[in-house]
Amino acid sequence: AQSVTQLGSHVSVSEGALVLLRCNYSSSVPPYLFWYVQYPNQGLQLLLKYTTGATLVKGINGFEAEFKKSETSFHLTKPSAHMSDAAEYFCAVSDLRQAAAGGKLIFGQGTELSVKP
Amino acid sequence: DTAVSQTPKYLVTQMGNDKSIKCEQNLGHDTMYWYKQDSKKFLKIMFSYNNKELIINETVPNRFSPKSPDKAHLNLHINSLELGDSAVYFCASSQREALNIQYFGAGTRLSVL
Repeated sequence: AQSVTQLGSHVSVSEGALVLLRCNYSSSVPPYLFWYVQYPNQGLQLLLKYTTGATLVKGINGFEAEFKKSETSFHLTKPSAHMSDAAEYFCAVSDLRQAAAGGKLIFGQGTELSVKP
Repeated sequence: DTAVSQTPKYLVTQMGNDKSIKCEQNLGHDTMYWYKQDSKKFLKIMFSYNNKELIINETVPNRFSPKSPDKAHLNLHINSLELGDSAVYFCASSQREALNIQYFGAGTRLSVL
């Protein structure tokens, strides 16, 4: 069975500082990996995804993530935090078989990012 | 135009009542989902429909019954509401060939009193 662990339920950074949100996954088959962002009282918005190919993926709003198979990780980074980045971030895993079988996403427990002025 | 829209946004009701949440997507997707987000913000899939056919049913109580009149709509009906049903329910959609990229609605916050 697949699973996702996000280290740190809450991360606080200063504006302009590096953002690092950690995600580790477990999957017996090549994973598809996603980061979603949820702003207060809104639905989830896809930030970026990894399926195959280049292991460093770039997403919206300056975020990027690197798939590291040896570490079973898919950490999310942004060089310089903005106040508008404050939100809940979710890492999720799936795979080709799940995508064909109905599209099940397994989510981590989320990390709340706070950005201090 | 909203891609995935849910109604209502908020729903407050008494235990034992029956309620429905509606979801519509205008993205032309063939797969739709319902997720439940609990008070700790943990998201878990409940159902998945592809072209009106139930694909995933994740051990959800029988009191929850999804209905898909067409591939653009997936409604969720809940019978005999319980306190534990209080949560935010998200609808999502995707195109089956699009590698599981799901688009989410804004959510329906259900409070059972």
